[in-house]
Amino acid sequence: AQSVTQPDIHITVSEGASLELRCNYSYGATPYLFWYVQSPGQGLQLLLKYFSGDTLVQGIKGFEAEFKRSQSSFNLRKPSVHWSDAAEYFCAVGAHYGGSQGNLIFGKGTKLSVKP
Amino acid sequence: DADVTQTPRNRITKTGKRIMLECSQTKGHDRMYWYRQDPGLGLRLIYYSFDVKDINKGEISDGYSVSRQAQAKFSLSLESAIPNQTALYFCAIQGASNQPQHFGDGTRLSIL
Repeated sequence: AQSVTQPDIHITVSEGASLELRCNYSYGATPYLFWYVQSPGQGLQLLLKYFSGDTLVQGIKGFEAEFKRSQSSFNLRKPSVHWSDAAEYFCAVGAHYGGSQGNLIFGKGTKLSVKP
Repeated sequence: DADVTQTPRNRITKTGKRIMLECSQTKGHDRMYWYRQDPGLGLRLIYYSFDVKDINKGEISDGYSVSRQAQAKFSLSLESAIPNQTALYFCAIQGASNQPQHFGDGTRLSIL
């Protein structure tokens, strides 16, 4: 069965520092992979997606993620964090075959706090 | 106008009441989803629909029902609400199976 693990429940970084949020998935083939961000009181906004091709994908707000098949990982990175990046981040994997094609399985989220 | 609109945004009600949460979209997408979010648990799928005549149960459908009244509208009902259904509920739409899902702003539901 598909699953997504975000090992870090809460991370605190200083403004201007680099950031890496971890995501590991379990899936029988190359999955569709997504990162979403949720600000307080808001819905989920898509940061970036991986479907195929180049394993380093660029997203909005200066974020990028790298798909590593050998490690079953899709970690999210940003070189320099801004205070406005404080939010909760969700990794998701999507099925691309079968009756539930297109459905997403979400990780439990990582809450990011940013210190001034 | 937002692509996905959820109403109401907030609702407080009592145990045993029937509640309907509504979702409408302006993108003309066939695929629509209902999730609930609980702290520390991420998002879990309740029901989904791939077109007007298609309804499918998700991971946690017990205690919920849905209606796809039109391509643009997908409603979630709690026939007899109970306190452990207190959560944040999201509707999402998707253009095709290889496309991202896009979410509404959510409905915060509290059941006393």
